[in-house]
Amino acid sequence: GAVVSQHPSWVICKSGTSVKIECRSLDFQATTMFWYRQFPKQSLMLMATSNEGSKATYEQGVEKDKFLINHASLTLSTLTVTSAHPEDSSFYICSAGRAGSQETQYFGPGTRLLVL
Amino acid sequence: KQEVTQIPAALSVPEGENLVLNCSFTDSAIYNLQWFRQDPGKGLTSLLLIQSSQREQTSGRLNASLDKSSGRSTLYIAASQPGDSATYLCARAGGGNKLTFGTGTQLKVEL
Repeated sequence: GAVVSQHPSWVICKSGTSVKIECRSLDFQATTMFWYRQFPKQSLMLMATSNEGSKATYEQGVEKDKFLINHASLTLSTLTVTSAHPEDSSFYICSAGRAGSQETQYFGPGTRLLVL
Repeated sequence: KQEVTQIPAALSVPEGENLVLNCSFTDSAIYNLQWFRQDPGKGLTSLLLIQSSQREQTSGRLNASLDKSSGRSTLYIAASQPGDSATYLCARAGGGNKLTFGTGTQLKVEL
């Protein structure tokens, strides 16, 4: 159990368009999901914490109007990169923690975004 | 600012060697310390999780230790195999189960 999926796995878009990435916990409920971005040969940087039914909490330096997060259900969180620019090209990874548990987070396979 | 550092940044060893990856963190008030594996272009695979009250965890050829007082964790890989080649990330869990990731160690095990 504890499978997290992401869709799409990769996306190429033109500069100025918006891209939505979905993160789903397939076999468990997740009250909290996390969104990370990873630049080539670098580590993961936490962007925001997504809580079901409430507003996301963004890390310092992350523009909340640029990266819109919605966590409408216990199994789905979405990240929308609005008006994407080439510098937004990155690997975006989500993770989910089981409701009522402080154990490890389960990570999705990631979404590679390339903005032309 | 919480920082997590991993040494070495890259490591190349011949098959069969035992090896140690190091992770250090600046804040000892952690909830747990986790080790992950990441293959190129892929997501993360959880390897070991050490709770703050524990000193080590073992899974197969992997053993991870935690020393909160010195702010260090090590991942020991026994009898390394080419399939172990990947990037290894440690992550410190603080309040709210937020993870702060280390800089990573890129491991290559050669035949």
